[in-house]
Amino acid sequence: NAGVMQNPRHLVRRRGQEARLRCSPMKGHSHVYWYRQLPEEGLKFMVYLQKENIIDESGMPKERFSAEFPKEGPSILRIQQVVRGDSAAYFCASSPGTGRRDQLYFGPGTRLTVT
Amino acid sequence: AQSVSQHNHHVILSEAASLELGCNYSYGGTVNLFWYVQYPGQHLQLLLKYFSGDPLVKGIKGFEAEFIKSKFSFNLRKPSVQWSDTAEYFCAVNDVRGTDKLIFGTGTRLQVFP
Repeated sequence: NAGVMQNPRHLVRRRGQEARLRCSPMKGHSHVYWYRQLPEEGLKFMVYLQKENIIDESGMPKERFSAEFPKEGPSILRIQQVVRGDSAAYFCASSPGTGRRDQLYFGPGTRLTVT
Repeated sequence: AQSVSQHNHHVILSEAASLELGCNYSYGGTVNLFWYVQYPGQHLQLLLKYFSGDPLVKGIKGFEAEFIKSKFSFNLRKPSVQWSDTAEYFCAVNDVRGTDKLIFGTGTRLQVFP
């Protein structure tokens, strides 16, 4: 599953800045999932996208967070005006398509630190 | 809303000991169940899954899990652990009537000493 790429691996932002996290899915995968892991907690689902479409955003905070997966290029998770509580590990996973829930491959994660 | 509970947060065992990690979920409909493992410094990877059929599922590296519908449980077992099993283990559930998203438990950190 080394095929799912995330960058940067580590990101430091000051309060109020913007954070942009990138995820390149495995070759041939058209679906992307974003998860957040806070200290001492499990992975919390945030959003599920396919190219140019958000399928499920039930886990996304209502404000400051947005995600996209354009036709070309990586998926982007964007956090505006970051706060200390946004410090976490953000994981991306990809799958080949709808119904392939047993074929989720995870990336190495981006560790966001807000100072 | 669905939730997944892993009651063992940290388990410490000696090599050759038997392992059982608990997983309970709160959803009453039809579910798919998964165990994922994250070895130190590595990506999260699938250990085993249950979709239907035989409730006793065998996965990689000698792991198995049993789905007990009446107890809403999907416990992970291994008869004899090795030092290389030291990792964090996550149980996850998916509602088959919903999207493909997985809901994860908080994880269990397993440390195996030689």
